[in-house]
Amino acid sequence: GQQLNQSPQSMFIQEGEDVSMNCTSSSIFNTWLWYKQEPGEGPVLLIALYKAGELTSNGRLTAQFGITRKDSFLNISASIPSDVGIYFCAGWAGSQGNLIFGKGTKLSVKP
Amino acid sequence: DGGITQSPKYLFRKEGQNVTLSCEQNLNHDAMYWYRQDPGQGLRLIYYSQIVNDFQKGDIAEGYSVSREKKESFPLTVTSAQKNPTAFYLCASRTKRGTYQPQHFGDGTRLSIL
Repeated sequence: GQQLNQSPQSMFIQEGEDVSMNCTSSSIFNTWLWYKQEPGEGPVLLIALYKAGELTSNGRLTAQFGITRKDSFLNISASIPSDVGIYFCAGWAGSQGNLIFGKGTKLSVKP
Repeated sequence: DGGITQSPKYLFRKEGQNVTLSCEQNLNHDAMYWYRQDPGQGLRLIYYSQIVNDFQKGDIAEGYSVSREKKESFPLTVTSAQKNPTAFYLCASRTKRGTYQPQHFGDGTRLSIL
């Protein structure tokens, strides 16, 4: 079945640093989503991307839908302690397909 | 407030026991989903329902059952056939009207074995 490779698996950064994570796939997606999950809670949608090449921002977060439609990245600028959590990418191939999730990037921010 | 409510927050299962996890949404969403989350494995789809009185198996349906008798409710039963039920269970829903709309999630139920 379809799989998403999300990297890195984990990141330990200093407050104020920028963060970059990405997802790649061997197949094409029509929609890319980025979610953030905090401990003991459900994932919360951060950014949705619907068009190849699309670049979308949400505050300090910026995500892009790759031109090939097989990848997406998420950048966080000037990280703060509340950015801590697990970030998931998810792709939707269209039609009757279901959402496919990456395994997550666990972000730790040192004050 | 509109949202997805999962209950209970924590649940314990004894050997040979079936347990039911509740998921209710007041968003008027058509489709509902159940995922299982294990550490380092991301989210795996158990069952989903696109319309009332209809549901389909996901990738890991064995040992689980669901029903969709009402649009707003999609309970998940973890049966005794599920030998490794300890996990975090997430329910999600989305509308199917118009262009693709992302899923929104509840806050999960953590199931443990006694």
